[in-house]
Amino acid sequence: GESVGLHLPTLSVQEGDNSIINCAYSNSASDYFIWYKQESGKGPQFIIDIRSNMDKRQGQRVTVLLNKTVKHLSLQIAATQPGDSAVYFCAEMEYGNKLVFGAGTILRVKS
Amino acid sequence: KAGVTQTPRYLIKTRGQQVTLSCSPISGHRSVSWYQQTPGQGLQFLFEYFSETQRNKGNFPGRFSGRQFSNSRSEMNVSTLELGDSALYLCASSLGQADSPLHFGNGTRLTVT
Repeated sequence: GESVGLHLPTLSVQEGDNSIINCAYSNSASDYFIWYKQESGKGPQFIIDIRSNMDKRQGQRVTVLLNKTVKHLSLQIAATQPGDSAVYFCAEMEYGNKLVFGAGTILRVKS
Repeated sequence: KAGVTQTPRYLIKTRGQQVTLSCSPISGHRSVSWYQQTPGQGLQFLFEYFSETQRNKGNFPGRFSGRQFSNSRSEMNVSTLELGDSALYLCASSLGQADSPLHFGNGTRLTVT
């Protein structure tokens, strides 16, 4: 399709607060989802994943929630730090090991 | 364990030329995928290789091609470069199973003038 440019939503949070980043996915048949963090000049960095037979998964300071009914994912970051500032992408895995990425959300942490 | 390594980091080419990008996966990973990232289209899947065979391909013209070697290293080639091919090209490796996370390199920034 025609490229119209991606306007990424921005979430600004105070250092120490919790952050919640939301994502809607498109394929109800997808059964594996990943969150990535991308800092300027770097590739996407794996944060956490979740399979469709789970509703919630926790990592270090991060939690991913999956709502299959409404095809929604969220990433919660506890006690957000300045080093968490980045663009966050959700991705769903489709057939053939292909990841389909969301547009991304910019997280800005204010000190 | 060393991460995914992509070379070169930056490339400047002229329209009509061709370019080859290289990717070394994480040791033990047999799947290598390539993605194009642009401000306009975001992250787009190009193709995936597993054990030297292309398993999946995205919606890119035939000017974009790739291959994988027996040591799992991969290259992608873009022929007859167009201005619109300017992008960050990312390589990712994984174990290749349906629920194996992909781990990305830092990409090759290609500028076509």
